[in-house]
Amino acid sequence: QVQLQESGPGLVKPSETLSLICTVSGGSVTRYFWSWIRQSPGKGLEWIAYIYYSGGSNYDPSLRSRATISVDASKNQLSMRLSSVTAADTALYYCAGGRGRVTHFDYWGPGTLVTVSS
Amino acid sequence: EIVLTQSPATLSSSPGERATLSCRASQTIDTYLAWYQQRPGQAPRLLIYHASNRATGIPARFSGSGSGADFTLTISSLEPEDFAVYYCQYRDNLRWTFGQGTKVELK
Repeated sequence: QVQLQESGPGLVKPSETLSLICTVSGGSVTRYFWSWIRQSPGKGLEWIAYIYYSGGSNYDPSLRSRATISVDASKNQLSMRLSSVTAADTALYYCAGGRGRVTHFDYWGPGTLVTVSS
Repeated sequence: EIVLTQSPATLSSSPGERATLSCRASQTIDTYLAWYQQRPGQAPRLLIYHASNRATGIPARFSGSGSGADFTLTISSLEPEDFAVYYCQYRDNLRWTFGQGTKVELK
């Protein structure tokens, strides 16, 4: 069974770059597609970015200029960087993955809370 | 850009009752629609994919239906653990969108 565990800094200052890592266990990161999804406090789910090890990546248009998603097969990890953060980027960040048709997310990590504050 | 609108925003029900949740797309879509359940303090969990297929381990009381632009998640008889928030989700051109959620709360 694939399991995901996010890790992050917890607190980031405005204008800095947020870096998140998702460690995958129970399966190879090269065999699934992956996304980062966030949830602001008390709000709904917002998709940020997608990657498939051998098939490219894509981003939400509103975050495209600031987000970078990548996969490290040697570490079996997924990562994301989000630059120039503001308070609006305060959220619970989830990594999520799926298999087969690239349509839905079978696997979710528990999430990591990131607060943007000086 | 496809927008998913869920209704109602909040559904007040009692255990044993039937719950019907709606997800309407802003245009006709294919059936690659999914439903997730999110309990307080937990990550979302996949319930239904491709509009009507239950995910592994999901009880039979959960069912999905619909086509075109209108989709429904039905919980045939609410159990105490079903009081949660439910989201629909669609993928279009390798971009994913979620509905705003329906909260099923205890009446």
